[in-house]
Amino acid sequence: AQKVTQAQTEISVVEKEDVTLDCVYETRDTTYYLFWYKQPPSGELVFLIRRNSFDEQNEISGRYSWNFQKSTSSFNFTITASQVVDSAVYFCALSEARQGGSEKLVFGKGMKLTVNP
Amino acid sequence: DSGVTQTPKHLITATGQRVTLRCSPRSGDLSVYWYQQSLDQGLQFLIQYYNGEERAKGNILERFSAQQFPDLHSELNLSSLELGDSALYFCASSSNYGYTFGSGTRLTVV
Repeated sequence: AQKVTQAQTEISVVEKEDVTLDCVYETRDTTYYLFWYKQPPSGELVFLIRRNSFDEQNEISGRYSWNFQKSTSSFNFTITASQVVDSAVYFCALSEARQGGSEKLVFGKGMKLTVNP
Repeated sequence: DSGVTQTPKHLITATGQRVTLRCSPRSGDLSVYWYQQSLDQGLQFLIQYYNGEERAKGNILERFSAQQFPDLHSELNLSSLELGDSALYFCASSSNYGYTFGSGTRLTVV
């Protein structure tokens, strides 16, 4: 069975601090996708990244970066120089990637980030 | 606008009632997924349809049912509602290019 663990439930930082959100996953699939979503107070789920299990390259997008390590089954997310607008709940998720399979997402419980001015 | 449309945005109803939530997937996407987000259970997969056929089922109660129509829109029917069914219900669609969520329907059962 697939499982995603976000051990941190809540983090509070001061603006401009860097913050890393941890995600550990479990799956028996050899091919899978990993995702991060942001849920601001307004409630919608905002897609941040999808990573294929074959692609272990780290990715950077502006102030966001992701570190995928298959050896430790982790897909951590770092926000550099955090801003108040980054305050949200962040979800890590996992899906299988088999042809003809279901890409249903298994979510972690989420991590609430509060960035204080 | 994500391209996935959910209606209504908010719904308040009484226990024992039945409601229907509607989802129109992004143009060209054949798969529709339904998720429930509640305070105690978090975000949970309910059911998936692919081109009109049920493809996967998750933690969906027997009181809940869904279908996908020929025009690919989907409806989630919730019946005999209980207080614990109060939640945010998301629809998502997927293609080879990505996975997109609608803005959700917030259901409040009173």
